[in-house]
Amino acid sequence: DIQMTQSPASLSASLGETVTIECLASEDIYSNLAWYQQKPGKSPQLLIYYANSLNDGVPSRFSGSGSGTQYSLKINSLQSEDVSIYFCQQNYDSPPTFGGGTKLELK
Amino acid sequence: QIQLVQSGPELKKPGESVKISCKASGYTFTNYGMYWVKQAPGQGLQYMGWINTETGKPTYADDFKGRFVFFLETSASTAYLQINNLKNEDMATYFCARAGDYPGIPFAYWGQGTLVTVSS
Repeated sequence: DIQMTQSPASLSASLGETVTIECLASEDIYSNLAWYQQKPGKSPQLLIYYANSLNDGVPSRFSGSGSGTQYSLKINSLQSEDVSIYFCQQNYDSPPTFGGGTKLELK
Repeated sequence: QIQLVQSGPELKKPGESVKISCKASGYTFTNYGMYWVKQAPGQGLQYMGWINTETGKPTYADDFKGRFVFFLETSASTAYLQINNLKNEDMATYFCARAGDYPGIPFAYWGQGTLVTVSS
């Protein structure tokens, strides 16, 4: 199975800041990388697919980039509602696998 | 709009079975496979497998072969996850999920999750 390593595991940032979360795949996943946001007690919500395509309704302050084995999620101008856990997921090979998650908190 | 509505929380004893439902609406049920994802308390997401809603054929991830069963009630647009011989490590929230409208778009729609508590 393809291993997905996310960093950092937790992150504290101030309102208005820009934050970046990284995801490293154990092999090339050819941009088949998605990012999800999960708020406490809720189901995950798809933010980005194909590494950089924004899902419908997702604010433009979220963006994704990367290729090969290295990917990142950037959140510009952090808002209070962005406090969540973020997961990356590869869907290049079966089984799809998730990163361990990044818990984003407000400083 | 597309909705996946899951059954409510369950409290079970070790060795018992549990059946979780996921009722789909807002689209043609047989056009999209249904996926299942496990999230243990405070942990990440673990893919369990999926069921082909057109043929009823389930495919299980390696960690979920044996005690886990996916099945359908197509007439009711409902997918089910049954866990037999429950163990403490099965205590988790279980999500059903559907892929997006275009090929390659992963889990775009999720149920609200069903919490299974296993306690003697």
